[in-house]
Parts: sequence; C-alpha cells; structure tokens
Amino acid sequence: GAGVSQSPSNKVTEKGKDVELRCDPISGHTALYWYRQSLGQGLEFLIYFQGNSAPDKSGLPSDRFSAERTGGSVSTLTIQRTQQEDSAVYLCASSLAGQDEQFFGPGTRLTVL
Amino acid sequence: AQRVTQPEKLLSVFKGAPVELKCNYSYSGSPELFWYVQYSRQRLQLLLRHISRESIKGFTADLNKGETSFHLKKPFAQEEDSAMYYCALRTGRRALTFGSGTRLQVQP
Repeated sequence: GAGVSQSPSNKVTEKGKDVELRCDPISGHTALYWYRQSLGQGLEFLIYFQGNSAPDKSGLPSDRFSAERTGGSVSTLTIQRTQQEDSAVYLCASSLAGQDEQFFGPGTRLTVL
Repeated sequence: AQRVTQPEKLLSVFKGAPVELKCNYSYSGSPELFWYVQYSRQRLQLLLRHISRESIKGFTADLNKGETSFHLKKPFAQEEDSAMYYCALRTGRRALTFGSGTRLQVQP
C-alpha cells in the first residue's frame, strides 16, 4: 500500500514569508509526528498527534510554528514569518496507535533565503 | 530531559570487518531504544528495537542499562550496509528522541 507522503518535496521561500507543509499519513494510522532535521543535526521532534487527543506541542521551537490535523488524517505544518534558521528537512511519520514502528515520509526540504 | 548521544559522525570500515556504532542515552526511567537507518535516496526506516531482541540484516543491539548504552553491532560488514544510522529513545510520550546519527561507510 501507499506509504506516508509529503508535499512539496522542495520549498524555497524568502525570509519573512509563511509556508505550509503537508503530510498524508498511512491510512488507518492514528498517530502522526513531525520532526525536523537541520544540517549536521539529528532529528528534532516538533509535534505529535494521537487520535482525538490534544496534540503534544512540546517540541515546537517558537510560536511561529503551528500544526493541525484535519479529520484525523492529513496534517499541515505552518511556519509563519520564516527565518533562515528554519531551513531544514521536515519529516512526517505515522504509526498505528500503541505500536512502536513509525513510518516516515520522504520529507520536505525547506530553504529560506 | 532525555538525550541520545552518537559520538561518531562517520565510521569507515572495510568489507568483512566488524562494525560497532555507539549509542549512549540519558534517562532515569526505563527507556525503549531503537535503531533507524536511512540508505541513500531512501526514507528513514526502522532497523531494530531493543524489546524484540532480534537480529536484522545481521545487526544486533543490546540494551545495557548499567552503561546506558545501546550499541549496534555486526560481525562482518557488507557494502550494502553503507547508510546513515540513528539511535532513538522513547520514554513516556510516543515521539522519539534521536541522536545526531552516524554515517557508516563500508569500503570494498
């Protein structure tokens, strides 16, 4: 079946602009995660959605970052007033509730000029 | 706060040599440990988890709570093992805390 998909695959934007990154999880997966991978860094947790529970936003680096998940499926990560330090690969993952394995998408490479 | 440390950014070995990718963690409770792998131009994927105590593609990893380590080992490296390897820790919440990764380069 189809895996986790993300769009766009690449996004170049100017400093100060807002961007939206999309994630389509595997059908039936109730858990969805966003991570960020900056150059030379490991993967940094951003936000986690589980079913209808309130999301765990503890990893969001600033209030310029927000995410929503509509209908328990597709998720959008929004970065407002982008800064150059926001340049990174943004990864989405999903998993079945209560299961260990997270399945990752291909990522969106964001470049802020 | 939990932390995962992978001290080596790059590990280069020859084909057939033993491999050990180091991972240390800091967490006071009972963690769940994982190794994820990313081959060139592929997605990040789960390699193995400590609770399964399994061997995948010849790799094994043992959780050592005394040393807070979860090193990944393989007795004989293959060229196709060349990839980026990430150690990850999960505590109460479901999201993972990743190390910075080690690039394994297996030379012919």
